[in-house]
Amino acid sequence: GEEVAQTPKHLVRGEGQKAKLYCAPIKGHSYVFWYQQVLKNEFKFLISFQNENVFDETGMPKERFSAKCLPNSPCSLEIQATKLEDSAVYFCASSFEGYSNQPQHFGDGTRLSIL
Amino acid sequence: DAKTTQPPSMDCAEGRAANLPCNHSTISGNEYVYWYRQIHSQGPQYIIHGLKNNETNEMASLIITEDRKSSTLILPHATLRDTAVYYCIRRGGTSYGKLTFGQGTILTVHP
Repeated sequence: GEEVAQTPKHLVRGEGQKAKLYCAPIKGHSYVFWYQQVLKNEFKFLISFQNENVFDETGMPKERFSAKCLPNSPCSLEIQATKLEDSAVYFCASSFEGYSNQPQHFGDGTRLSIL
Repeated sequence: DAKTTQPPSMDCAEGRAANLPCNHSTISGNEYVYWYRQIHSQGPQYIIHGLKNNETNEMASLIITEDRKSSTLILPHATLRDTAVYYCIRRGGTSYGKLTFGQGTILTVHP
């Protein structure tokens, strides 16, 4: 598609439950990026993929968080045993290539609320 | 971290040009300057980017100083829908993949 599609728009989970978020990149884009926005202006980079391969996972919490990008499927971000602090908006972005001169285009995010 | 400095907030009258400054005094030669904006709770929207030369597209113009230590995003005729948080981001070097967002500038366009 022409836009990055993220589903669901909203996700509510009880503390300790699993949460799974999905992202379909723009058609033809080979790079996918995940970001977490906890407070209104604070973004944190989580992980990026080049096709199905992890490109950069330096922002990914070591425990509970995992992500995949499999061929012919939306990319996913999964959080096991969610905590209150995981409440945030999770944004996915894609780019044609990973170079610095290729802009990333964002989806509208998934708002995750942990109760 | 790749740091930029922006004013926390700015106002602009509808129909006037909005000039948003950004300081990136420690930028290195292979780092691009990117501008994004976030309207309400939507995803960040790409506006424009540049390396050395000034750039213009249908949304905005980007003016980069000759020493590359600062830049200005220009929205030539601001509308109420341009009210948003604007982020100036350095991208390149050793972290050329990810975007590192700062606090941004809250631009309010008023009638």
